[in-house]
Amino acid sequence: NAGVMQNPRHLVRRRGQEARLRCSPMKGHSHVYWYRQLPEEGLKFMVYLQKENIIDESGMPKERFSAEFPKEGPSILRIQQVVRGDSAAYFCASSVMAGQNTEAFFGQGTRLTVV
Amino acid sequence: AQSVTQLDSHVSVSEGTPVLLRCNYSSSYSPSLFWYVQHPNKGLQLLLKYTSAATLVKGINGFEAEFKKSETSFHLTKPSAHMSDAAEYFCVVSDQGKAAGNKLTFGGGTRVLVKP
Repeated sequence: NAGVMQNPRHLVRRRGQEARLRCSPMKGHSHVYWYRQLPEEGLKFMVYLQKENIIDESGMPKERFSAEFPKEGPSILRIQQVVRGDSAAYFCASSVMAGQNTEAFFGQGTRLTVV
Repeated sequence: AQSVTQLDSHVSVSEGTPVLLRCNYSSSYSPSLFWYVQHPNKGLQLLLKYTSAATLVKGINGFEAEFKKSETSFHLTKPSAHMSDAAEYFCVVSDQGKAAGNKLTFGGGTRVLVKP
C-alpha cells in the first residue's frame, strides 16, 4: 500500500504563473487535508476535503487559492498568479475516516519556489 | 480554539544523553495530541499519539511522552539521543468533532541537533 503521493516534489514558477500541486491519498482514504509550511515555521492548516466536497476551507487565502478532490483522480491545490510569498512547502495528508483519534498520513510535500 | 506552544525552537544535545522537548497546549475539550518528526526535505512521520487512554505514551525509536492535564503539557522525551534523531519535531493537537475531520494544529517546531 503506497503512502500519500505528492507531485511534483519541487516546483518553480515565475511570478504571475499558476501552480498546480497534486496529492494522491493512501488507498481507501477519502479524507484529504492540505497544509502549508513557510520557512522556519510549523505547518498551517489550509483546507479539508472529502470526495467531491470541501468540508473546511478556513485556512485558505481568500483569493488565488482553490482546492478540489474529484471523484476520480488526485486532489489538486491550485494557486493562480503566484507571488513570492507563496514560496513554501505544501503538504497533503489523508485519513481513512474523520475523527480526532484517527492518524493522518503525510506525503513528502511539494516545495514551491516563486522567482 | 486550540493552540500549541513548543517552548524551545532549538535543542542541542550530545549523543547518548537524554532529550526533552517541551510542549504546552490549549484546548476547550479533551484533546488528542501527537508528536511528529520531520527529517530534512522529508515528509512527516508520526512518533506517537495520546488519545485519552494511558497518560504515558510510548512511541517509535525509543521516544515517549506524558500527558499532564493539570499542566496542559505533553512533553516528549528519549533517554539516550542518537545521531539519527537530528530533525525537527512538531507537537500537534487534533481538532474536535467529526465535522473537523482530522484537522491538526501544529506547534512552531523544535529543531534538534545531536552532537557526537
